[in-house]
Order: sequence, then C-alpha cells, then structure tokens
Amino acid sequence: SQQGEEDPQALSIQEGENATMNCSYKTSINNLQWYRQNSGRGLVHLILIRSNEREKHSGRLRVTLDTSKKSSSLLITASRAADTASYFCFLTGAGSYQLTFGKGTKLSVIP
Amino acid sequence: EPEVTQTPSHQVTQMGQEVILRCVPISNHLYFYWYRQILGQKVEFLVSFYNNEISEKSEIFDDQFSVERPDGSNFTLKIRSTKLEDSAMYFCASSEAGAHVDTQYFGPGTRLTVL
Repeated sequence: SQQGEEDPQALSIQEGENATMNCSYKTSINNLQWYRQNSGRGLVHLILIRSNEREKHSGRLRVTLDTSKKSSSLLITASRAADTASYFCFLTGAGSYQLTFGKGTKLSVIP
Repeated sequence: EPEVTQTPSHQVTQMGQEVILRCVPISNHLYFYWYRQILGQKVEFLVSFYNNEISEKSEIFDDQFSVERPDGSNFTLKIRSTKLEDSAMYFCASSEAGAHVDTQYFGPGTRLTVL
C-alpha cells in the first residue's frame, strides 16, 4: 500500500507562528500533493510537487520532498486563525494508478 | 472560477434502497473521480473515470457501486442497495489530465446517511 502517514496527528499553535506537517510514505511516487479540508467541507488543493522536485513555494506555503527518505513536509509560515483545518498529503504511485490520501494533520491556530 | 458541484448536499435513505449521487465536473476536464470519507476517517479513493469508462477502482468499489456519465455534463455514482456502512461523505473530483500528473478539483461533497 502507498499509504501516506502524516505527523503530527494534531498541532496547536499561536497565530503568527509557523506550522510544520510531515508526510511519510512507503513506495515510489509520481507526485505528492497537499490538500486542506475545513471541518465538514470539501478538499482544497494547495500544492503539487513532482518526484524530481525538492522544494516548492506558494505564498505562505513551502513544501519539501525527500525521495530518499520517502517524506515530505508542508510549512505554513506566519499562521492565521483561518489556517485552522485538516491537512492531507495525497500520493500518486509511480508506474501505477494508486491514489492515496494520508490520515491528515489537524491544525488549530489560536488567535 | 469554475468549480465542481455536487447534489444533493445531504441524502438520507433507508438501508437497501438505491441512491444516485450527482456531480457536475469542471467543463474542460477529462478525468473524473469519486472518493468517500467515513466520519473521522481519511479520504478513500473509490473510482476514476476517463473516456467513458472506468480507468481504475479500489477494492471498496464493489458490484453495488456503478458510475455513469449520462450526458456531457453530469457524472453520477450509484449505490445499488445501500448498507449502514455506506454512510459517509462522498466527494467528486475532476482534473484536466490524470491525477498522477495533475491537480484534482473537489466538489463540496454529499453527506449520505443510511438508516
């Protein structure tokens, strides 16, 4: 199974602090994506990083990918209360059509 | 900005009944997906659809499930005989290229409650 595992499962920080979430996986990937889900709502795509990329930025988001360690991290800088949500990594398997979400990190940003 | 829409937002049904969940993908997208999320659990892939046929399905997507693109805009998920354990949020998604290379855009979901 390609299952992604995020850690921590839950993270609580003060507004203005940085939040870092990690995703580890088991086998080779084609790309890795991060999604966000507000409670009871749909999933919103944040960023996609391909297996041949090491780092990507989008606004206050920074994603890194280490294929040798089979892990990725999502950094949200200068967090805001509106960033409170669950964050999921999404993996697509190399050479296959495996589509797998991780279990998610629940981020709470306290105003 | 174009978005994926889903109807209904909430469906309540009796065990054993058939339900059809509807999705309107983004108009120029060619790949369509269904996922489900049981309360408190992770999002699980059910099926992907391209060129009017299923391209991939998970072990969850058994004979009681079917998908269809009945016209040029709708994409439906049918559950033939619902079970209590089918209660979940069902998300439709679409992408321009396949999910292994491209971003998927998700709808807001349909909450299915089986009594």
